[in-house]
Amino acid sequence: EPEVTQTPSHQVTQMGQEVILRCVPISNHLYFYWYRQILGQKVEFLVSFYNNEISEKSEIFDDQFSVERPDGSNFTLKIRSTKLEDSAMYFCASGLQRGEAFFGQGTRLTVV
Amino acid sequence: AQSVTQPDIHITVSEGASLELRCNYSYGATPYLFWYVQSPGQGLQLLLKYFSGDTLVQGIKGFEAEFKRSQSSFNLRKPSVHWSDAAEYFCAVGPYNTDKLIFGTGTRLQVFP
Repeated sequence: EPEVTQTPSHQVTQMGQEVILRCVPISNHLYFYWYRQILGQKVEFLVSFYNNEISEKSEIFDDQFSVERPDGSNFTLKIRSTKLEDSAMYFCASGLQRGEAFFGQGTRLTVV
Repeated sequence: AQSVTQPDIHITVSEGASLELRCNYSYGATPYLFWYVQSPGQGLQLLLKYFSGDTLVQGIKGFEAEFKRSQSSFNLRKPSVHWSDAAEYFCAVGPYNTDKLIFGTGTRLQVFP
């Protein structure tokens, strides 16, 4: 069964460093998302991407964040200068139709 | 504001017992509705979804959910719980005019043998 894959599963970075989280969505999907879950809190929407551009973003998704789909298969989330409060589980998701999301296993980001 | 409420933070059932997890949403129109399950350290697995049509939706692993418009609810049910069902369950809504899903706070299910 096709699935969304994310790498790495765990990333530790120093405050102020840039990180790139990588995702390979399900191959025929058209909608791509990033969500995050801070430990013990709700899953929160960050950004959606469709037709090679951001279609929606949340207040969390400020100038420190960016997304890219560089080669038609990978979908990346970049955090330019990480803060302690960016520590969370980051989930990539994809869907064939709007509103549908199949999630990956997540990348646990720890900022120290 | 759009919101999702899962009133039960933690539920404990015996293996073989029936299960119902509650979910209520607040939104003007009927949104898309989802249930996800998350095992410890794992991602979110889609159990089932409701977009339109039949209000009783069948999902994977023997789960079903019923959409009740009058109650703004989308409760998840399973007739007989297995020990492997122990996990956290999240209800989510996707308003039709937006891409994002809004998640509830989750219900942690514990299953006793």
